Amino acid sequence: SYVLTQPPSVSVAPGQTARITCGGNNIGSKSVHWYQQKPGQAPVLVVYDDSDRPSGIPERFSGSNSGNTATLTISRVEAGDEADYYCQVWDSSSDQGVFGTGTKVTVL
Amino acid sequence: EVQLVESGGGLVQPGRSLRLSCAASGFTFDDYAMHWVRQAPGKGLEWVSGISWNSGSIGYADSVKGRFTISRDNAKNSLYLQMNSLRAEDTALYYCAKDTGVVPAARGYFDYWGQGTLVTVSS
Repeated sequence: SYVLTQPPSVSVAPGQTARITCGGNNIGSKSVHWYQQKPGQAPVLVVYDDSDRPSGIPERFSGSNSGNTATLTISRVEAGDEADYYCQVWDSSSDQGVFGTGTKVTVL
Repeated sequence: EVQLVESGGGLVQPGRSLRLSCAASGFTFDDYAMHWVRQAPGKGLEWVSGISWNSGSIGYADSVKGRFTISRDNAKNSLYLQMNSLRAEDTALYYCAKDTGVVPAARGYFDYWGQGTLVTVSS
C-alpha cells in the first residue's frame, strides 16, 4: 500500500515560515491535500489539489508538490496555527484513501 | 450550512458488532461520495471506507475489509458503517466526511467533517 511520511514535529517562531513535508513514491503524480487538526476538534481542509485553498483559508497557507515530496508552507506563522497537520492522497492503484503520519506544529 | 452528525458509538466487547450512523444536512447528499475516517486515541488519521453517490463504488481499508460494511440511504440523507467482529485496535473516534466528487476516486478528499463518535472495544 502507498505510504506517506511526515516529520513528527516542526517548531517555528511567530512571524516566521513553517514548512511541512510529505514524502511518497512519485507523489508528484498525485493530487495532495492537507488538513489542520487542533486539539479536540475535527480536521479542517486547508489545501487541496496540491496548492488550492478552500474559501476562508488564509493566503498564508500554500502548497507545492513535485517528485517525491509535497510541501505545506505556512507563512507569517501565528499562535493560532499551532496544530497537527496531515497530508492525504487518493491511491488509485488500491482505490483507497491514504493519510500521512502527521506533523505537530509548535509555535515557539 | 453543511452539517454531519455521527451517532452510534459506545463501549462494545471484542467480537461484537456496532452500527454507526451519520446524518447529513445543508447540501444535496446524493450528489457526493462519502467516507468514514477514524482516529485512535493519540494517533493519526486513518481512512476506513468510502462510497460513491449511488453506492455503485465502495472501498475499504485493508484493516477493516471483510468486517466492516459501508452503506448509505439517500432518501434519509444518511451514511452508515456496520462494524462486525470488532477488535481492540478498532477503538477510535470515527468521523463521517464528505467528498467533493461523486465517486471517491474522482476527487478523493474531504471538505467537511463531523465531530465524530467514539467506539471503544474492550472486555
